[in-house]
Amino acid sequence: AQRVTQPEKLLSVFKGAPVELKCNYSYSGSPELFWYVQYSRQRLQLLLRHISRESIKGFTADLNKGETSFHLKKPFAQEEDSAMYYCALSSSGAGSYQLTFGKGTKLSVIP
Amino acid sequence: EPEVTQTPSHQVTQMGQEVILRCVPISNHLYFYWYRQILGQKVEFLVSFYNNEISEKSEIFDDQFSVERPDGSNFTLKIRSTKLEDSAMYFCASGYGTTDTQYFGPGTRLTVL
Repeated sequence: AQRVTQPEKLLSVFKGAPVELKCNYSYSGSPELFWYVQYSRQRLQLLLRHISRESIKGFTADLNKGETSFHLKKPFAQEEDSAMYYCALSSSGAGSYQLTFGKGTKLSVIP
Repeated sequence: EPEVTQTPSHQVTQMGQEVILRCVPISNHLYFYWYRQILGQKVEFLVSFYNNEISEKSEIFDDQFSVERPDGSNFTLKIRSTKLEDSAMYFCASGYGTTDTQYFGPGTRLTVL
């Protein structure tokens, strides 16, 4: 069975400080990992996915298969980054496209 | 930019009643999904739908649940006889291909009394 763990329910950082939102996964095959973000009163939207290896809004995430992690990082937090962040996994390689989500981390950037 | 829409935004119903939650996926998308999020818990997959049939479903998606694409635009989730524990936020999502990004709707908050 696949599982996604986000150990922090809430993370508070000061504006300009580095941010790291942790995500660990459990899956025996080759997963596809995503970060979704939900700003206040808005819908879930894709932030980034590991196969694209992009930087979106200054965020990056590297898939570490050895540590089964996909931590989200940003060097300098901005107030507009305050939101709920969800890590998700898809086992598309096994023919399953459902997303398995973590419980989410609420990021609060203090001005 | 096209978006997934969902109606209603909030539905209140009595236990045992049937509810239908409606979604309009993005028009050229082929894959459709329902997820739910009980308050304080994680977003959970319910069902995926492609080519007018269910392609995957979770153990949550029992006989009380059904999905339908009644016309070319709507995608519905029906709960036949609601239970208190069905109270949750229900999200519809759509994607163009199987490995494509899933685009989410704003959700319908279902409250079962």
